Amino acid sequence: DAGVTQSPTHLIKTRGQQVTLRCSPISGHKSVSWYQQVLGQGPQFIFQYYEKEERGRGNFPDRFSARQFPNYSSELNVNALLLGDSALYLCASSDGAGVGEKLFFGSGTQLSVL
Amino acid sequence: QQPVQSPQAVILREGEDAVINCSSSKALYSVHWYRQKHGEAPVFLMILLKGGEQKGHEKISASFNEKKQQSSLYLTASQLSYSGTYFCGSQEYGNKLVFGAGTILRVKS
Repeated sequence: DAGVTQSPTHLIKTRGQQVTLRCSPISGHKSVSWYQQVLGQGPQFIFQYYEKEERGRGNFPDRFSARQFPNYSSELNVNALLLGDSALYLCASSDGAGVGEKLFFGSGTQLSVL
Repeated sequence: QQPVQSPQAVILREGEDAVINCSSSKALYSVHWYRQKHGEAPVFLMILLKGGEQKGHEKISASFNEKKQQSSLYLTASQLSYSGTYFCGSQEYGNKLVFGAGTILRVKS
């Protein structure tokens, strides 16, 4: 079975632009979470979606938004990009959204904002 | 609030043991451990649930002290393949998974 797939793998944008990142979860998984990882730090929680509904949101500005589609794939959108948005964006899927669910991470999208 | 990991980095020779600690100021329902190699995605190692037993297999195991809200990851007889950054993730009941800053482990031959 395929793991979590993310696209694109790398992206270069300029300040003020908008970006959309995509994620396909493991087949059968209904929950998708998004994390931002800055070099040298741990992943920071952005969003969790389960059955197309937002289940959690981290401390990120409203420039960050996400959605989950009926096939459980997900998109993360970031508007008005800032230099500080440069990071590795990780998508993780899990079977459920409950406590103790094991996360399976994709390889991430490396976003560079110039 | 982000859990605190210690040490920040550790260097071992093959065959040596290591302990990585993770502590939180809040009551936790579960603690997760992941390992990330350079340029790769984090990979799940194990979950410890409140009221659960120490988990692990062969040379990697972990414990969860509920009273102290602390977890420790034990790596015995380390191998070169153990090198990477280890993250603990703390989860309060019904809440998101919050990761620590990570512990860099390097195993030398």
